[in-house]
Amino acid sequence: DQQVKQNSPSLSVQEGRISILNCDYTNSMFDYFLWYKKYPAEGPTFLISISSIKDKNEDGRFTVFLNKSAKHLSLHIVPSQPGDSAVYFCAARGGAQKLVFGQGTRLTINP
Amino acid sequence: NAGVTQTPKFRILKIGQSMTLQCAQDMNHNYMYWYRQDPGMGLKLIYYSVGAGITDKGEVPNGYNVSRSTTEDFPLRLELAAPSQTSVYFCASSQRGSNTEAFFGQGTRLTVV
Repeated sequence: DQQVKQNSPSLSVQEGRISILNCDYTNSMFDYFLWYKKYPAEGPTFLISISSIKDKNEDGRFTVFLNKSAKHLSLHIVPSQPGDSAVYFCAARGGAQKLVFGQGTRLTINP
Repeated sequence: NAGVTQTPKFRILKIGQSMTLQCAQDMNHNYMYWYRQDPGMGLKLIYYSVGAGITDKGEVPNGYNVSRSTTEDFPLRLELAAPSQTSVYFCASSQRGSNTEAFFGQGTRLTVV
């Protein structure tokens, strides 16, 4: 039972354009959502988060949107840069600081 | 400040062998976690700890054991390794009461043959 789903395994975007990564969840008890970025042969690194009481959080080029009624969140990166090429994981807090991760989306930024 | 350090980075085990994956953090975090990542899948929680002497099972604990005798260290023990345990293992830590931002180690790639 996949509680957090990232339905796009990969995404290719031109440099300078907007990248939009999507994530859906099924558990309405999730109260906090995070995005992690992962380069090959490295551990994931925290990127941005959002509480369930908000619908938007922005940090520089990165913005996360949360639609609770649709149980959907998205990560917008604008403008996209070559260094943004990585695998992005969506995660949701399921209590006691346990995180439930999606499968990941591989983002490729083309020059 | 090293953050979260995992050893070894790579290991090949034979079926039935045992080993311990080491994890140490120097951020004085109370919470520590072990995840595994299978190809094309997200990270799945194996075990976690909310402080020294306290551990609890995650989503996929079978075949693993943990201990937390100090705040810094959280080793993961594999007993009787099986091919299904071939995976990349990540250790992570986070500060209690924080926004649950977790700091991850670089991972241990384990192959069981």
